[in-house]
Amino acid sequence: AQTVTQSQPEMSVQEAETVTLSCTYDTSESDYYLFWYKQPPSRQMILVIRQEAYKQQNATENRFSVNFQKAAKSFSLKISDSQLGDAAMYFCAYRRLYGNKLVFGAGTILRVKS
Amino acid sequence: GAVVSQHPSWVICKSGTSVKIECRSLDFQATTMFWYRQFPKQSLMLMATSNEGSKATYEQGVEKDKFLINHASLTLSTLTVTSAHPEDSSFYICSAPPGLGRNYEQYFGPGTRLTVT
Repeated sequence: AQTVTQSQPEMSVQEAETVTLSCTYDTSESDYYLFWYKQPPSRQMILVIRQEAYKQQNATENRFSVNFQKAAKSFSLKISDSQLGDAAMYFCAYRRLYGNKLVFGAGTILRVKS
Repeated sequence: GAVVSQHPSWVICKSGTSVKIECRSLDFQATTMFWYRQFPKQSLMLMATSNEGSKATYEQGVEKDKFLINHASLTLSTLTVTSAHPEDSSFYICSAPPGLGRNYEQYFGPGTRLTVT
């Protein structure tokens, strides 16, 4: 079975600075999807970024980028120019290539200081 | 993007009663919906997969007789918590992909906060 591990329960970042959230996963499959989801205080889950395992290029969405290391099974999220609105709980998630079930990590609470 | 709604957003019920939570896909048809449970500052725990026109598939450790799931149409799935107890108090979230296959993301509902007194 696949597992996702987020080893940072909480992180803090100063506004306008950069922060990296860590995620590792375990799978025996060669093709799959990885995601970062944001859950703000409203608790609405928001997709931040998605990475297809067969793509070597790291995904980027504006201030959000990932460092995908397939051999190391590592998938970290970098948030640049942090904003107060980035404060939320962030979840790393894995999905098999075919199928819709998501496997979530434990989450990382990100606090942004002004 | 696709929209998923949940109703109610917040419900309080007395111990021993049952409560129904609805999950609707507003602008797409969903043959599959997922139900999650989330405790404060914890991750989402998948409870069951709801399949339109057939029985739900429950994750290990989830009591199917306590958490009744019905997916009667392509836009509506319901979760009924039967004989609720205070330990059932939690945040319940549903999600649905707008299609099956590799290219479909899951869209999440806004969640329902259940408090059992």
